[in-house]
Amino acid sequence: EIVMTQSPATLSVSPGERATLSCRASQSVSSNVAWYQQKPGQAPRLLIYGASTRATGIPGRITGSGSGTEFTLTISSLQSEDFAVYYCQQYNNWPPLTFGGGTKVEIK
Amino acid sequence: QVQLVQSGAEVKRPGASVKVSCKASGYTFTGYYIHWVRQAPGQGLESMGWINPNSGGTNYAQKFQGRVTMSRDTSISTATMELSWLKSDDTAVYYCARGSDSNYVYDYWGQGTLVTVSS
Repeated sequence: EIVMTQSPATLSVSPGERATLSCRASQSVSSNVAWYQQKPGQAPRLLIYGASTRATGIPGRITGSGSGTEFTLTISSLQSEDFAVYYCQQYNNWPPLTFGGGTKVEIK
Repeated sequence: QVQLVQSGAEVKRPGASVKVSCKASGYTFTGYYIHWVRQAPGQGLESMGWINPNSGGTNYAQKFQGRVTMSRDTSISTATMELSWLKSDDTAVYYCARGSDSNYVYDYWGQGTLVTVSS
């Protein structure tokens, strides 16, 4: 099973600043990584797939990068609606499909 | 528009079984996998497996092998997940999610179903 490790667990950022979230895979997953956003009481929402392709309707301030074992989600100029928990997921080796433990982006 | 609507919350005793349904609309049901993902209170996301609604083929995470059954009824565009021999740590919100064109990325999600296991 591939283990996905996200860091940091919590990120405190001021509105308008940049947030950089990391995700590391225990072995290469090529570019088969997706990122999801989850707000309290809601289902997750797909943000990024293929490591860097934005899903439909996702704004340009959200970008994904990386390949192999190291991946990054960057949110430039954080808006109020961006404060949430973010999960990475690998879909290169399965079953199972595996998620990272999540990064909570909170208001500083 | 694509929608996945799940059945309501359940309370079960340890050792019992639970069935959660997921009704799809707004797209061709047989064209996309349906995945099941669960989230324990305050915890992260855990993939349980998926079903191919076209063939009925399934793939379960090893952790749930022998306890989970995923099925579908194409006549009503509904997928169902049954988990048996429930334990207290099965208490979680259970989500169904549609697999995207790549099958293994979840592009649309149901609203979630809370299953509480308590004696």
